[in-house]
Amino acid sequence: NAGVTQTPKFQVLKTGQSMTLQCAQDMNHEYMSWYRQDPGMGLRLIHYSVGAGITDQGEVPNGYNVSRSTTEDFPLRLLSAAPSQTSVYFCATSAQGSGYTFGSGTRLTVV
Amino acid sequence: SQQGEEDPQALSIQEGENATMNCSYKTSINNLQWYRQNSGRGLVHLILIRSNEREKHSGRLRVTLDTSKKSSSLLITASRAADTASYFCATERYTGFQKLVFGTGTRLLVSP
Repeated sequence: NAGVTQTPKFQVLKTGQSMTLQCAQDMNHEYMSWYRQDPGMGLRLIHYSVGAGITDQGEVPNGYNVSRSTTEDFPLRLLSAAPSQTSVYFCATSAQGSGYTFGSGTRLTVV
Repeated sequence: SQQGEEDPQALSIQEGENATMNCSYKTSINNLQWYRQNSGRGLVHLILIRSNEREKHSGRLRVTLDTSKKSSSLLITASRAADTASYFCATERYTGFQKLVFGTGTRLLVSP
């Protein structure tokens, strides 16, 4: 029972490149979300999903796309990477009214 | 914008002492949660307190919630060096869909 698995753990991109951060959960939760964490800013919500086929924007959605075709997977796509997207990205899942389970994060550097 | 603000931003204590962290938030909530993050790691859920609860305990943790003042506190009793981490409060609101919004965190250092 892995909980939430994020890949890759580290990534370096050049400005303008695109990539997909993967997130998979085996907890059978409908709710999944993506956060970014920057120094001194806490975690900020990028996108979230309440089930397959249903996604919505969070606090900082610009430059990111998501889709949810299965309960298990919730990938985050960076369309054209910018240095401002250098951050640590966390995926999380939860059942309503319960605590969230977080993945171990993806540390992304855009040069 | 961040929903919650933690106070203090940093706290340094000795092993065996108690650590108290405070969280203030801005809007009505369904519940408030506390998380711990060790350096370079993911977040670990510690405790959830619902808006109709005033106090909750879990092991050495005690959380209070005052919805009239829009504030919460996390007390860690008899701190250990292993408690060294950043602690975040997060509020959840069910406005159609659930959303968990984090504060900026308190960095706790417990020295042996």
